[in-house]
Amino acid sequence: EADIYQTPRYLVIGTGKKITLECSQTMGHDKMYWYQQDPGMELHLIHYSYGVNSTEKGDLSSESTVSRIRTEHFPLTLESARPSHTSQYLCASSPYEGQGYQETQYFGPGTRLLVL
Amino acid sequence: SQQGEEDPQALSIQEGENATMNCSYKTSINNLQWYRQNSGRGLVHLILIRSNEREKHSGRLRVTLDTSKKSSSLLITASRAADTASYFCATRIQGAQKLVFGQGTRLTINP
Repeated sequence: EADIYQTPRYLVIGTGKKITLECSQTMGHDKMYWYQQDPGMELHLIHYSYGVNSTEKGDLSSESTVSRIRTEHFPLTLESARPSHTSQYLCASSPYEGQGYQETQYFGPGTRLLVL
Repeated sequence: SQQGEEDPQALSIQEGENATMNCSYKTSINNLQWYRQNSGRGLVHLILIRSNEREKHSGRLRVTLDTSKKSSSLLITASRAADTASYFCATRIQGAQKLVFGQGTRLTINP
């Protein structure tokens, strides 16, 4: 099991609420990622970070924002949740592997979000 | 369409049989990786094959890569009920600092 944690595991909230999904890793990895995944479907990269104070948008447009103030912490925030945000959100991290980033990724258990 | 596409989308076999899943992609890659996802969980990295490799083994897993056909296969031998999961291929495209995941193959092993 990878040392990467996500909280909460499940979240049910009403439309318009602000939420923050937490992700922490204790492996000292520089790179971290957020993916959105609907049940039985592919993963879509929504944000990633190369290190502290570095954040980039991914391939799928998202209304969420991220921050990377500490190496181990990469929270994702939705300012105003909507039913269309209902999905599973997966956090991952990746180590530098000597010859560069092979992009081997270690995933957290995910947060299942339901917006009513 | 997707960079990585798995085939079949779903596969159901008896315990003890071998399971084969295929992945096709479109652009040049640095490496191709396979991940497993149990229902409702995160993904677990299984194996990585570099673009200059043709075959790789890890336990009951065998992965092949054919860069001329832009395809890969994952073979799980002597399947077990615990192998029931979704399996995703992911490609690291040349020049890109990220992975692109396919849509996955849902594997069910019947006891």
